[in-house]
Amino acid sequence: EVQLLESGGGLVQPGGSLRLSCSASGFTFSSYAMNWVRQAPGKGLEWVSGIDTSGTSTYYADSVKGRFTISRDNSKNTLFLQMNSLRAEDTALYYCAKWNRLTIFGVVTDWFDPWGQGTLVTVSS
Amino acid sequence: QSVLTQPPSASGTPGQRVTISCSGSNSNIGSKTVNWYQQLPGTAPKLLIYGNNQRPSGVPDRFSGSKSGTSASLAISGLQSEDEADYSCAAWDDRLKGWVFGGGTKLTVL
Repeated sequence: EVQLLESGGGLVQPGGSLRLSCSASGFTFSSYAMNWVRQAPGKGLEWVSGIDTSGTSTYYADSVKGRFTISRDNSKNTLFLQMNSLRAEDTALYYCAKWNRLTIFGVVTDWFDPWGQGTLVTVSS
Repeated sequence: QSVLTQPPSASGTPGQRVTISCSGSNSNIGSKTVNWYQQLPGTAPKLLIYGNNQRPSGVPDRFSGSKSGTSASLAISGLQSEDEADYSCAAWDDRLKGWVFGGGTKLTVL
């Protein structure tokens, strides 16, 4: 069974740092791109960052660019999100998600499945 | 303000058919496939529809997706009480070079 388990969340002061981890099992981690998606309390889903299979290519939402860094350790089946210069608006439940890709009827199709259960990050003084 | 636009709420009675819309632009829905996620209260999002209209195994055929131009729709037929959840659309955006989500639609089964 494919499983994703996030950890590392907690309470941090504005301007502080936090490192999230996502431990993967049940699939060949090194063969799949991965993502971080967050959800602020009572709000919708917001994509945060993505990374390719090797870690060479990374992608970021404008809201976190320059402050967050995504990385992965394929030898340990683990995805990371280093979050610096945290702000109150970064308070959210952070999910990791497996990035799947197929070509269906000649069309490249991407989707997230599965998602982890999330880890809560609270930025407050 | 989400890049993809969804109605904040929708409702229906058991057995009814409801649709949820998702409006975007040429840089996302207009040129990329759309996915839909279901989020039951207090749980993580779950894939419901991928590639505009493909259902993962285990998803009932009561759920269907479609896309036309820069808009997509999720239809739920034979509405059941357990369908009460938040539904979000998503697509890759070529201009932003990232994924964009709708703000989510809270479905209430009356």
